[in-house]
Amino acid sequence: GAVVSQHPSWVICKSGTSVKIECRSLDFQATTMFWYRQFPKQSLMLMATSNEGSKATYEQGVEKDKFLINHASLTLSTLTVTSAHPEDSSFYICSASSGTGINEQFFGPGTRLTVL
Amino acid sequence: GDSVTQMEGPVTLSEEAFLTINCTYTATGYPSLFWYVQYPGEGLQLLLKATKADDKGSNKGFEATYRKETTSFHLEKGSVQVSDSAVYFCALKVGAQKLVFGQGTRLTINP
Repeated sequence: GAVVSQHPSWVICKSGTSVKIECRSLDFQATTMFWYRQFPKQSLMLMATSNEGSKATYEQGVEKDKFLINHASLTLSTLTVTSAHPEDSSFYICSASSGTGINEQFFGPGTRLTVL
Repeated sequence: GDSVTQMEGPVTLSEEAFLTINCTYTATGYPSLFWYVQYPGEGLQLLLKATKADDKGSNKGFEATYRKETTSFHLEKGSVQVSDSAVYFCALKVGAQKLVFGQGTRLTINP
């Protein structure tokens, strides 16, 4: 089946620093990638949708200057949390779609970010 | 707006018990409905789906029927196993690709 990886699986950083999270589709080309945020015991919240080679589309309420998304190739998207603060601590999950067939999304295992 | 409500967990059952996880939704138009499962340390996986009213999705012994009249998509399994322990998410699809998730239900099956 289609596999999506994320790196790192967990990261701890100091307040004010920036953190980059990678999302890779390992065995298919992902024309569209999605970034979600999940708070403890809560649902996944879509942050943004990115198509390869174009700017990401952010959901309402998501700061695009704080959460920088780059989808430079058909197998890689990155999420950079800039000037991170403790309230940015969360579980970040990416998914990828090949854009063919039923457009099924394949999910990565997630990255836990803790900002001290 | 569009939303999904799942029964609150955690749910703990004994092996071979009958499972029901309730899911109801609110949506404009006619959404597609999904159940995803997340095993410990892994990403979400599509468990089953239904794209129109009265459709029944099934996989690995799990079933869910798209009930338009009650706006529900309850997940059922007749006899659960320890390996079914996971977090289950109900979701609907609005528009081209946007998924809206419920809050997830943690299921634990004891031997």
